[in-house]
Amino acid sequence: EPEVTQTPSHQVTQMGQEVILRCVPISNHLYFYWYRQILGQKVEFLVSFYNNEISEKSEIFDDQFSVERPDGSNFTLKIRSTKLEDSAMYFCASSAPPSGQGWEKLFFGSGTQLSVL
Amino acid sequence: LAKTTQPISMDSYEGQEVNITCSHNNIATNDYITWYQQFPSQGPRFIIQGYKTKVTNEVASLFIPADRKSSTLSLPRVSLSDTAVYYCLVGAFYNQGGKLIFGQGTELSVKP
Repeated sequence: EPEVTQTPSHQVTQMGQEVILRCVPISNHLYFYWYRQILGQKVEFLVSFYNNEISEKSEIFDDQFSVERPDGSNFTLKIRSTKLEDSAMYFCASSAPPSGQGWEKLFFGSGTQLSVL
Repeated sequence: LAKTTQPISMDSYEGQEVNITCSHNNIATNDYITWYQQFPSQGPRFIIQGYKTKVTNEVASLFIPADRKSSTLSLPRVSLSDTAVYYCLVGAFYNQGGKLIFGQGTELSVKP
């Protein structure tokens, strides 16, 4: 089965530092997503991205967050000035365009564990 | 967005059939019902999706009654490796701009 690849698997940073989390979505997918999961809590939607634009974002995705597809293969999440509460597992996902109203499968990567000290 | 309610946890034994029911009373006409599975320290994985009646694949079955206000994920003959969190999600892709929202999920524990 095709895979979404995320790097690094673990990232440790100091509060206030910028971090960039990287993802390589499945090659023929056109929709890209970032989710995060704080330990012991539910998976939280951050942002969806299509055609080089943000489609939807949650209230978590404030001005400190940005996403980019810098080339034809990578999809990145940048946190400008990290806070302690940004510590979480960050998941990237991608999907093919839906053929109808239903959802195409989202394929998730294995995540980047971000620890902010 | 349709609100979903599912049990927080369930226990089962190897070899049993497990049914997890999700309630979604305010489901909209265009909404689909999708289930994902998540193992610890991994991203969620798609299991099955349906709109009405019954859908079956190699992993599970999804039963949706005519009023669509609930759905039941059925896992036949579970094994220890089916221990995971199972999420029920309801929505329509284009209505939500790709914003697929996960709830609390059901933590299934399969015992030997």
